[in-house]
Amino acid sequence: QKEVEQNSGPLSVPEGAIASLNCTYSDRGSQSFFWYRQYSGKSPELIMSIYSNGDKEDGRFTAQLNKASQYVSLLIRDSQPSDSATYLCAVNPSASNYQLIWGAGTKLIIKP
Amino acid sequence: GAVVSQHPSRVICKSGTSVKIECRSLDFQATTMFWYRQFPKQSLMLMATSNEGSKATYEQGVEKDKFLINHASLTLSTLTVTSAHPEDSSFYICSATQSGNAYTGELFFGEGSRLTVL
Repeated sequence: QKEVEQNSGPLSVPEGAIASLNCTYSDRGSQSFFWYRQYSGKSPELIMSIYSNGDKEDGRFTAQLNKASQYVSLLIRDSQPSDSATYLCAVNPSASNYQLIWGAGTKLIIKP
Repeated sequence: GAVVSQHPSRVICKSGTSVKIECRSLDFQATTMFWYRQFPKQSLMLMATSNEGSKATYEQGVEKDKFLINHASLTLSTLTVTSAHPEDSSFYICSATQSGNAYTGELFFGEGSRLTVL
C-alpha cells in the first residue's frame, strides 16, 4: 500500500514567522512531488512541484526533497494570514501512471 | 498554467433525481481526468479515473452504476450522480493532467461542485 503521511495539525504560526510543513512517503521509487493549498470550501491549487533532491524556491515558498529519507517539506517564509489553509502533499509513484497519492493534509493557521 | 473548468459550482436537488457535473480542460487536451469527492474536514477521496474513449476505472467501494462517468472527448468529462440521496451530498472535484510530452505529473483542478441532496 503506497502511502503519504502528513501531520494533520493544526499548525499555528505567528505572522511573519516561517511555517514548516512535512510529508513522508512510502514508495521509494516515487518520481514527482507536489504541494497543494486548499482553502476551506475551495478546490486545491498547486503551490510547488519538485522532482529532484534538494531545495526549490519560488517566492516565499521553498520545497525540499530528500529521496533517501523519503521526505518532502514545504517552508513558507514571512507567513501571512492569507496563508492559512490546508496544505496537501501529493506524490506520483510512477511516470507511467498519472494518479497521485495524497496525504490527508496539514491545517495551517497564521496568527496575526 | 492549464485551466480546468467545472460546472455547476453548486447544485441542490431532491432525493431520487440525477445530477450531471461537467469538467472541461480549456487550453489543453486531457487524456486522463480524475474525479474526487471530499466530505467536510476530510481529505480528497479519489472516486474514479476517466480515460478518453474508454470506460472509467472506479476505486474500490465506489458504485459505478451510481456514479456514471463519460469522457467522450479530450476536453470534456462528465460525472452523473444517479438517483441521488442525502448521503451523496458532498464536494465533487474534477482534475486533469496534461499527457504526452507535456506531462509533468501535475494535476489541475476544477473549481469543484457542491452537491446538496434534500
